[in-house]
Amino acid sequence: QSVLTQPPSVSAAPGQKVTISCSENSSNIGNNYVSWYQQLPGTAPKLLIYDNNKRPSGIPDRFSGSKSGTSATLGITGLQTGDEADYYCGTWDSSLTDVFFGGGTRLTVL
Amino acid sequence: QITLKESGPTLVKPTQTLTLTCTFSGFSLTTSGVGMGWIRQPPGKALEWLALIYWDDDKRYSPSLKSRLTITKDTSKNQVVLTMTNLDPVDTATYYCAHGVMGSPDAFDVWGPGTMVTVSS
Repeated sequence: QSVLTQPPSVSAAPGQKVTISCSENSSNIGNNYVSWYQQLPGTAPKLLIYDNNKRPSGIPDRFSGSKSGTSATLGITGLQTGDEADYYCGTWDSSLTDVFFGGGTRLTVL
Repeated sequence: QITLKESGPTLVKPTQTLTLTCTFSGFSLTTSGVGMGWIRQPPGKALEWLALIYWDDDKRYSPSLKSRLTITKDTSKNQVVLTMTNLDPVDTATYYCAHGVMGSPDAFDVWGPGTMVTVSS
């Protein structure tokens, strides 16, 4: 069974840059696209990045995505207190029968 | 503008069957490439994907829950329904329906607000 591993928490100061990693114990990330979601407290997740590095309309370019091998990374620049949230990566297995998410990373903006 | 809203019982007894309805607007589930999914989140825990249904009635299920899940659509009512059998307290979670990004099974660009379901006797 594939597992997406994210760090439980990251932190950085306002205005700084932070990266959140998403690694996999199999080859699904390597073979498929990765998405990223932001979940503010008490709200539904919001799509930030899909297809590794595409931003939906309305998502600022402070958010970026990249992928290398079996790992993906979400980058956030110009951190704001409003960015404090849980962030999840997602992908699907090669046979397109299973979508799965990482365990989530809590971002604290100090 | 795409909107989604989940509805269903807030409290279910163990072993019972849960039926959740997602009512949507702003798009048609008859349009080629469109898909919708269900995702849940136990309190304080991570997201868990449950099921997907596409415009052509292709359906996908989480392998670990496949035997308990059924996803259907009613295009005349703009609704997608998820049924989960044999509920257990570990199924207590917020259940979300979401609109899929075309061509990206893992990407959901619009989500409903979610509905909290508690499984308890």
